[in-house]
Amino acid sequence: KNQVEQSPQSLIILEGKNCTLQCNYTVSPFSNLRWYKQDTGRGPVSLTIMTFSENTKSNGRYTATLDADTKQSSLHITASQLSDSASYICVVSDRGSTLGRLYFGRGTQLTVWP
Amino acid sequence: EADIYQTPRYLVIGTGKKITLECSQTMGHDKMYWYQQDPGMELHLIHYSYGVNSTEKGDLSSESTVSRIRTEHFPLTLESARPSHTSQYLCASSPQGEGNTIYFGEGSWLTVV
Repeated sequence: KNQVEQSPQSLIILEGKNCTLQCNYTVSPFSNLRWYKQDTGRGPVSLTIMTFSENTKSNGRYTATLDADTKQSSLHITASQLSDSASYICVVSDRGSTLGRLYFGRGTQLTVWP
Repeated sequence: EADIYQTPRYLVIGTGKKITLECSQTMGHDKMYWYQQDPGMELHLIHYSYGVNSTEKGDLSSESTVSRIRTEHFPLTLESARPSHTSQYLCASSPQGEGNTIYFGEGSWLTVV
């Protein structure tokens, strides 16, 4: 069964600190992995997209890594800001269908305190 | 910022009422999607479209229906709302091909009382 598991479920950090969010998946055949940021009550916003051949991709203070062999990804946030408080969702796409079916994790709820 | 818009953002309606959630995008994307998301839970695909006159049901069974008469417009309709339909509905769009960014609207929060 294709699944995406994220950890931790929630995380509280102080402003200025770094943190790393984890994503493990069983989706096969793998096409790409995306990280989205979803503010409370808003739609998800894309942070990064990585294909099989990409190990790391950055977007400002966000750096995503991908290990396709172990089927793991992480999202590292550097020098956190209050505006980073949001849910971070890992989304994996397969290559088995024309749609490129997306499998969503439940997200990690990050809270940044001043 | 993504050019995809949803209305209404928030709606409270009575059981048995008909409701249409509007979604429009100005990016010329062929693919459009409707997702349902309950608080703290993952998104579930309920409908998608590859282009005009193309609509398909997604993974999650839904009593809603969709139409795609124009590229930019992908409305979702509930003929008779029930409390079990209370949820957040997210519209999204993307260009053709794999690995392209999927752009989401701000969502429509529906409460059926």
